[in-house]
Amino acid sequence: ETGVTQSPTHLIKTRGQQVTLRCSSQSGHNTVSWYQQALGQGPQFIFQYYREEENGRGNFPPRFSGLQFPNYSSELNVNALELDDSALYLCASSLARSSGGGGTDTQYFGPGTRLTVL
Amino acid sequence: DAKTTQPPSMDCAEGRAANLPCNHSTISGNEYVYWYRQIHSQGPQYIIHGLKNNETNEMASLIITEDRKSSTLILPHATLRDTAVYYCIVRVATYNAGNMLTFGGGTRLMVKP
Repeated sequence: ETGVTQSPTHLIKTRGQQVTLRCSSQSGHNTVSWYQQALGQGPQFIFQYYREEENGRGNFPPRFSGLQFPNYSSELNVNALELDDSALYLCASSLARSSGGGGTDTQYFGPGTRLTVL
Repeated sequence: DAKTTQPPSMDCAEGRAANLPCNHSTISGNEYVYWYRQIHSQGPQYIIHGLKNNETNEMASLIITEDRKSSTLILPHATLRDTAVYYCIVRVATYNAGNMLTFGGGTRLMVKP
């Protein structure tokens, strides 16, 4: 069973540029959530993708967007980078089901991508 | 999701049990208690979760009070590698998508030799 992987590990961009971060979900998982973690703070939810559609979004502007592919991997895109976008970006995968039955999905995190905006 | 309250920091001697408390007095009947930890600059690591009953796995034990308003994560024999920030999160029990995690400040556990 492979865990969640993210690429690249580190990235340096300049203000105004665009960036794409990638995430491969754990095998058997169909849902990907993205979080931003600024230095010294807890992770903040950006959005979640399920069945290739955005399904839940946190308090982030539209220049943060994403994709999920048929193999459940995902991309996070950030346009018009700002200095405050410098953070650790975390991806988490889980198994969501459309039917009920109780219980809860558990999110498993990747190692993160450290983005520095200069 | 209900909010949680954790002490900002704790120390523990290596080899001793580490008991990390969490208050979640506004928890609802359909909300789970989740614990994650984050070692410096790494992604959060899932530890354990529970609804009502106490839970144990290879990493830790979770003790939930009968009224479910608080819980304690127990690391039975803390090692230096357990030094991390520990997050207690309360989350609705559902398999539906859109169920995010809301992280608070967590407890910074320092295990000392």
